[in-house]
Amino acid sequence: QQQVKQSPQSLIVQKGGISIINCAYENTAFDYFPWYQQFPGKGPALLIAIRPDVSEKKEGRFTISFNKSAKQFSLHIMDSQPGDSATYFCAASRGSNYQLIWGAGTKLIIKP
Amino acid sequence: DAGVIQSPRHEVTEMGQEVTLRCKPISGHNSLFWYRQTMMRGLELLIYFNNNVPIDDSGMPEDRFSAKMPNASFSTLKIQPSEPRDSAVYFCASTIGQGRSPLHFGNGTRLTVT
Repeated sequence: QQQVKQSPQSLIVQKGGISIINCAYENTAFDYFPWYQQFPGKGPALLIAIRPDVSEKKEGRFTISFNKSAKQFSLHIMDSQPGDSATYFCAASRGSNYQLIWGAGTKLIIKP
Repeated sequence: DAGVIQSPRHEVTEMGQEVTLRCKPISGHNSLFWYRQTMMRGLELLIYFNNNVPIDDSGMPEDRFSAKMPNASFSTLKIQPSEPRDSAVYFCASTIGQGRSPLHFGNGTRLTVT
């Protein structure tokens, strides 16, 4: 019940296309859902986060969609660029950062 | 802002040797985390400190692992004795408070135990 299942494991998208990464959770007590972006040789960095009281949050080309009833949330990257090539992690927690449950990660490659 | 600083960036050691990884959190941050990242297991939280006090060390794999935070600006993760299965990238992260402030990760230490 503590897992966050992330898919796909890897994704190749053409430049200008839409990248979509999905995550699902079981614990309905989770109330914070961040996405982290990791470039090779670097640590993860917070990209965008959402709470379950909203269904969508947009920051530039990045959008989180949240479906509370389905216990799913997804990251959409519009107009994907080669610079977006990275590994993306979804996560979920209830209350505090140290209780973050991480997805397994999605390696995204944007082809020029 | 220099970010979270970890050293060394790479460490290669032989099985049985002691390894010490170091972390300097961002000034003013009072929560510090040690994570391990592998292809097989992903990101695993090893230990969490708040105000220099270890709050949760349930992720520390075994007694060979120990972590300290003697002051607000320095933490170490020690493995003694090291084993090949400890090979991984170890990350330190810091943040403010215990809530939902963003975690700021260092660039990690890639440990290889032969």
